Amino acid sequence: GDSVTQMEGPVTLSEEACLTINCTYTATGYPSLFWYVQYPGEGLQLLLKATKADDKGSNKGFEATYRKETTSFHLEKGSVQVSDSAVYFCALSDSTAGGTSYGKLTFGQGTILTVHP
Amino acid sequence: KAGVTQTPRYLIKTRGQQVTLSCSPISGHRSVSWYQQTPGQGLQFLFEYFSETQRNKGNFPGRFSGRQFSNSRSEMNVSTLELGDSALYLCASSLAGAQTQYFGPGTRLLVL
Repeated sequence: GDSVTQMEGPVTLSEEACLTINCTYTATGYPSLFWYVQYPGEGLQLLLKATKADDKGSNKGFEATYRKETTSFHLEKGSVQVSDSAVYFCALSDSTAGGTSYGKLTFGQGTILTVHP
Repeated sequence: KAGVTQTPRYLIKTRGQQVTLSCSPISGHRSVSWYQQTPGQGLQFLFEYFSETQRNKGNFPGRFSGRQFSNSRSEMNVSTLELGDSALYLCASSLAGAQTQYFGPGTRLLVL
């Protein structure tokens, strides 16, 4: 079945440091890939997405490239801020060849990011 | 446009009781999915509804059930609550056939 593996956490960085959170996946169909972020006491917010190989998703300084050859979708940011402290989830949504999705996201374990001033 | 809303936000129940959680999707979204989030198991898919029909189901016991109404609002029900059902229950909505899901704030259930 589908699966997503994220790097072990937590990750602690100083403000303005570079961030990389690794994510690899296994899927049988034509997955779309996502990064979601969860702040304390809240639900998940969509951070970025990519729907096909070599697509790059980007938002708020975060980027991730869909690498089919390495089945990876690593999250990167060049300069983190204290406000980026949160839990980050990599996820995939598989679909049929026709692109129909049946409402299931498969998530990684989540990576806790803490950024210190 | 209003986001996904979930009610109630917090619930405390005792073992053996049942509970019903509600989710209102983003206007125009006809697909609603439910997830359970726990520290030990992470985020796990419960089920998905589209046009009042359950199209997909995760690996949860029959105590977990749901339904969707003609206005796309959805409810999930957990009967005979167990301590292990304590979790954050998240609802997400999406456009028909789309893969991008938008999440609500969740309902935090505590079973004593």
